Formats: sequence, structure tokens, C-alpha cells
Amino acid sequence: DIQMTQSPSSLSASVGDTVTITCQASQDIRNDLNWFQHEPGKAPKLLIYDASNLEPGVPSRFSGSGSGTDFTFTISTLQPEDAATYYCQHYNNLPPLFTFGPGTRVDIK
Amino acid sequence: QVQLVESGGGVVQPGRSLRLSCAASGFTLSTSPMHWVRQAPGKGLEWVAVISFDGNNEHYADSVKGRFTISRDNSKNTLYLQMNSLRPDDTAVFYCARDRGTHFNYYGSYTYLYYGMDVWGQGTTVTVSS
Repeated sequence: DIQMTQSPSSLSASVGDTVTITCQASQDIRNDLNWFQHEPGKAPKLLIYDASNLEPGVPSRFSGSGSGTDFTFTISTLQPEDAATYYCQHYNNLPPLFTFGPGTRVDIK
Repeated sequence: QVQLVESGGGVVQPGRSLRLSCAASGFTLSTSPMHWVRQAPGKGLEWVAVISFDGNNEHYADSVKGRFTISRDNSKNTLYLQMNSLRPDDTAVFYCARDRGTHFNYYGSYTYLYYGMDVWGQGTTVTVSS
């Protein structure tokens, strides 16, 4: 099975900062990768699909890039409401299998 | 407004069963593949199961295979998760989620494609404890 890793596991940044999270797959997954935001007690929210496409309605300060095994998620101009845990997630169709990274907790200083 | 609302969670003893429900509104459930995903206390998100739009294709995580069954009633706009032989490590918040995927008919046989979750519910809590 394909394993997903994320780094860092947590970070603390100030409002206005640029935050970068990396996600690595144990083998080539093309661009079959999504990014989610999850706040405690709330429904997870899709931010980026297929590695680099912004989900409609999501602010443009969120972005994603990468393909193959290495992916990057960026929050530019960090806002107070961005405090959450962020997950990358690989989807596979042969057979259907959905693997989340361990998550990155983002705190606001 | 697209919405998913889970119900059926609670406290259950090890070895017992529980059925979760997920009511969909604001979109046509019958055209959407659907998932169950869970989050154990202090842990990350874990995919549990997926079902095709028509209910004819199901897949499970190894951790629940043979114990959990995902199903759907499109006439009631509802997704289900039947959980049997529950264990303490099944304790989690369970979320239902819609998949972005699609399907196509090739010479009378469906091929199902799943692309991951785009809409999620708020979750229902399952606690397995004696």
C-alpha cells in the first residue's frame, strides 16, 4: 500500500505569514492528491483537488503544487481563521483506496 | 445548500452492533459515490468505506473489512454504515462524505471512478466501551 507522510507535524505562525506544508507519497501517485482543512468539531473541508486545483469558493491564499511523490500546500498571508489541521489525501482506483497523511496542525501566534 | 447529516452514534459495548445513517440534502444522492471516514480521539482521519452511486460497488479499509457494511437507499436520500463486532479501537467520530467521482457505462457494464471527498457532514460519535 502507498504511504503518505507530511511535514511538519505542527507549526506556529503569525497572521500575514506564508505557511508551507509538504506531503510525500511512498511511490508515484501522479497528481491524485487532495488537501483538506479540519477544525475541531467541524466538518472537514476540501481546499485543493488533484494536487493544484482550488475548490470553488476557497480563498485564493490557499494553493497546492507537485506531482509524482512530492507535493506542497501553501497558505499565503495567514489569517486567524486558518488555525486548523491540514491533511493531504491520496485517492486510488485500482483498487479503490483512500489514504490520508497524518496531518499538520497550524496554530496562530 | 448541499448538506450531509449523520446520526445513530452512541455508546455501545464491545462485540455489539450499531447502524449509522447519513441524510443528504441539496444534491442528488443517487448520482454520487459516498464514503464513511472516521477520526479516533487524538488521531487523524481514516478512510472506512466507499460505495458507488448505484450501490453495486463497495470497498473497505482492512481495519473494518468483514465487520462493517456500507449501503444506501437512494429513494430515501440516505447512506448507512452497519457496524458489527465493535471493538474499543472503533471509538471515533464517524463522518459521511460525498465523492467527486463519476461512472460510465461500457457495453452495459459500469466502470466506477473515485476522486476523493468534496462534501462532508459534521460527524456522529461512536464510543465502544464496557
